[in-house]
Amino acid sequence: QLQLQESGPGLVKPSETLSLTCTVSRGSIGRSNFYWGWIRQPPGKSLEWIASKYYSGDTYYNPSLKSRVTISVDTSKNQFSLKLNSVTAADTSVYYCARHYINYEDNWFDPWGQGTLVTVSS
Amino acid sequence: SSELTQDPAVSVALGQTVRITCQGDSLRSYYASWYQQKAGQAPVLVMSGQNKRPSGIPDRFSGSSSGDTASLTITGTQAEDEADYYCSFRDSSAKHWVFGGGTKLTVL
Repeated sequence: QLQLQESGPGLVKPSETLSLTCTVSRGSIGRSNFYWGWIRQPPGKSLEWIASKYYSGDTYYNPSLKSRVTISVDTSKNQFSLKLNSVTAADTSVYYCARHYINYEDNWFDPWGQGTLVTVSS
Repeated sequence: SSELTQDPAVSVALGQTVRITCQGDSLRSYYASWYQQKAGQAPVLVMSGQNKRPSGIPDRFSGSSSGDTASLTITGTQAEDEADYYCSFRDSSAKHWVFGGGTKLTVL
């Protein structure tokens, strides 16, 4: 069964860049018809989709974050990554990675990684 | 951009049926997906498309859609169903995805 695991610093200073990696196991990023995405959840709040990317290039970004976000895929390592620059305290969240199925009518995220808490603080 | 509206909290007696709804204009064009999140855990997909349950999700969970409203129904609610439930859908622009504010389900 496909598994995803987030990794990266748990503490980032304001104005710096948040960098996270999601390692996919028991499945291949490059040999599938799925996108790979990031979602975040501020403490006590709802979920917010950040970005999704197909291994060969097609990419979608949340318009509210697009100017600060980069998502990339490394098929050789079976990983995908998120960079969010110029972070503020408002970016403090649990960050999840997930496989993203995109079809015209039917779209879903499954499975999800366990999530990693990133706190923005000096 | 589109917004999704969910009731913040719903309660149900053990063994009874509960419907959790999600309302948004884009639901007229796209199916919603539903996620269950228990305290301290990652979300889990419980419903997608036209009433599609992923493997391992009990058949007491069902989904439906009418107009601008999508519904997740739990028939014979169990104590372990107590969780936050989020709907999600593709925005009318077709270029990004939105989550609802979540519904906290309490099983009495």
